[in-house]
Amino acid sequence: DTAVSQTPKYLVTQMGNDKSIKCEQNLGHDTMYWYKQDSKKFLKIMFSYNNKELIINETVPNRFSPKSPDKAHLNLHINSLELGDSAVYFCASGDRFANTEAFFGQGTRLTVV
Amino acid sequence: GNSVTQMEGPVTLSEEAFLTINCTYTATGYPSLFWYVQYPGEGLQLLLKATKADDKGSNKGFEATYRKETTSFHLEKGSVQVSDSAVYFCALMANQAGTALIFGKGTTLSVSS
Repeated sequence: DTAVSQTPKYLVTQMGNDKSIKCEQNLGHDTMYWYKQDSKKFLKIMFSYNNKELIINETVPNRFSPKSPDKAHLNLHINSLELGDSAVYFCASGDRFANTEAFFGQGTRLTVV
Repeated sequence: GNSVTQMEGPVTLSEEAFLTINCTYTATGYPSLFWYVQYPGEGLQLLLKATKADDKGSNKGFEATYRKETTSFHLEKGSVQVSDSAVYFCALMANQAGTALIFGKGTTLSVSS
């Protein structure tokens, strides 16, 4: 009965590869997010989708492309991976109009070698 | 723009000591304020929240009061336990649709027995 689940939990890949991280929420929320946590634990918003519509797109390289097939899913695809992409990526969901807390997945630790 | 500033760590305490982690914010309007906790190797969990001035959020012995006059939301606990060792994040959500949580840089708490 996991609320926000993302896969995989760990991802090790070589520079230049393309990879995807999947996220699903069963909370009925209309908004989903991707955050990046760097090695110093700093969390920064990357993208936000509301009902499959992109509403937040922070300054992120265009190698990163979010895709939302429906409001319960928000996947993150990364092209041409670079060493600096190594981080923990968190998916989250929330209720856009309630402006209440977001619920987070367990994170995907991406290591680019 | 909106931002959150929290005291830098690490904070090292002995069991049963009093904890304070300072958090101040900058925002237009009246944001909602949150404390999240991240245990080692895990995702973020909501610890407590406050949605308007003078509200006090509390959970698991932790408390924080929304102080509009000082734009602060300091986290306190009267007697910490070893199991409280984690990274604590202060965050705000602006009171407008389509926004995302903005986090402070996190404070690492280490409690020894």
